[in-house]
Amino acid sequence: DTGVSQNPRHKITKRGQNVTFRCDPISEHNRLYWYRQTLGQGPEFLTYFQNEAQLEKSRLLSDRFSAERPKGSFSTLEIQRTEQGDSAMYLCASSLDRGGHGYTFGSGTRLTVV
Amino acid sequence: GESVGLHLPTLSVQEGDNSIINCAYSNSASDYFIWYKQESGKGPQFIIDIRSNMDKRQGQRVTVLLNKTVKHLSLQIAATQPGDSAVYFCAENLEYGNKLVFGAGTILRVKS
Repeated sequence: DTGVSQNPRHKITKRGQNVTFRCDPISEHNRLYWYRQTLGQGPEFLTYFQNEAQLEKSRLLSDRFSAERPKGSFSTLEIQRTEQGDSAMYLCASSLDRGGHGYTFGSGTRLTVV
Repeated sequence: GESVGLHLPTLSVQEGDNSIINCAYSNSASDYFIWYKQESGKGPQFIIDIRSNMDKRQGQRVTVLLNKTVKHLSLQIAATQPGDSAVYFCAENLEYGNKLVFGAGTILRVKS
């Protein structure tokens, strides 16, 4: 296992289109998190899962955003009717819910809405 | 210093010197703290963590200090190297396993 994997690395889309990102966490990690990061800012929490259950959603996650983790392994984050303000780096992280050494982040998906 | 938008505080150090990066965290009930390093175009990389029942923890070339009285966290990097140049973020959470809340980053520039 080589860590948290995110695809695609980059995505350019036209305003109004839908996009979907995928995250494959570290296999033994039961928690999975999505964050958004804009230039010059720290990552902002969007949502997280314990196994397949979505336990918390940020107010940043408008109704255009939806995340799933159907089998408790990989997760998808979909943005519908993209807006220019959605342009950001979308980061995924995973962890064990007890112990462990921090949360492991992927390299992110950079979304540009034109 | 305070960061506003793109204007992250910057620390410039000479190669071989020690670096100290500071962070003020927001929640006095936070139980767990992590320092991350982020290089351009990459995700945050774990450096070191500390729980609230400790005030100091050492790793390889790095030390984290926690002062709960003033809600302050610092990262000390010994013998700073050019490869240490990056943005550094502190993060906190109420309980390990829950969401992380990130502080404003600090840019570290190492001069050779």
